Amino acid sequence: GENVEQHPSTLSVQEGDSAVIKCTYSDSASNYFPWYKQELGKRPQLIIDIRSNVGEKKDQRIAVTLNKTAKHFSLHITETQPEDSAVYFCAASRGGSYIPTFGRGTSLIVHP
Amino acid sequence: GAVVSQHPSRVICKSGTSVKIECRSLDFQATTMFWYRQFPKQSLMLMATSNEGSKATYEQGVEKDKFLINHASLTLSTLTVTSAHPEDSSFYICSATMGQGGYGYTFGSGTRLTVV
Repeated sequence: GENVEQHPSTLSVQEGDSAVIKCTYSDSASNYFPWYKQELGKRPQLIIDIRSNVGEKKDQRIAVTLNKTAKHFSLHITETQPEDSAVYFCAASRGGSYIPTFGRGTSLIVHP
Repeated sequence: GAVVSQHPSRVICKSGTSVKIECRSLDFQATTMFWYRQFPKQSLMLMATSNEGSKATYEQGVEKDKFLINHASLTLSTLTVTSAHPEDSSFYICSATMGQGGYGYTFGSGTRLTVV
């Protein structure tokens, strides 16, 4: 089955800095890579996703890059703000009827 | 967009009692729903896949007699924690897809279960 590794487990940055979270996956057939943000006690919310036919996708301060050859993908948050503080999960899936496999999560702390 | 509702959001029960958690897809039909368990500061652990009209598929290590799952309609799946014990205390989250499977994954709001 799929195995998703996520690093770092904790990331602390100053407001305005950039934050990068990296994930690797093992199943070369995976073709869909969503990222979720989970605030304490709340549901994970999809913030951005990328499919294997593109290498990069951007949405305002958030971007995701994908390297299919190396089987890794990353989340980039620029100009971080305190409200970006949360746990971020990456996931990999074959899409269709396949269940996503989640990474262990990264606790992002943005200091004002 | 796809909305998944989960109730209750919090529940406290006594050891030995059973608790039912509901997961509803509000604006779409979900042939498949998923149940996760999440411990503090940890990732989402898939417990089972719930298919409408058929038996749920449980992940290895999950007791099917303890965590009863029913998916009686295309918009409702329930998880019943039977004979709950303090070690069952956790955050339980359901999710559903709009038939696109892994492409359209939406989570419910979660249920914080505390067994005393």
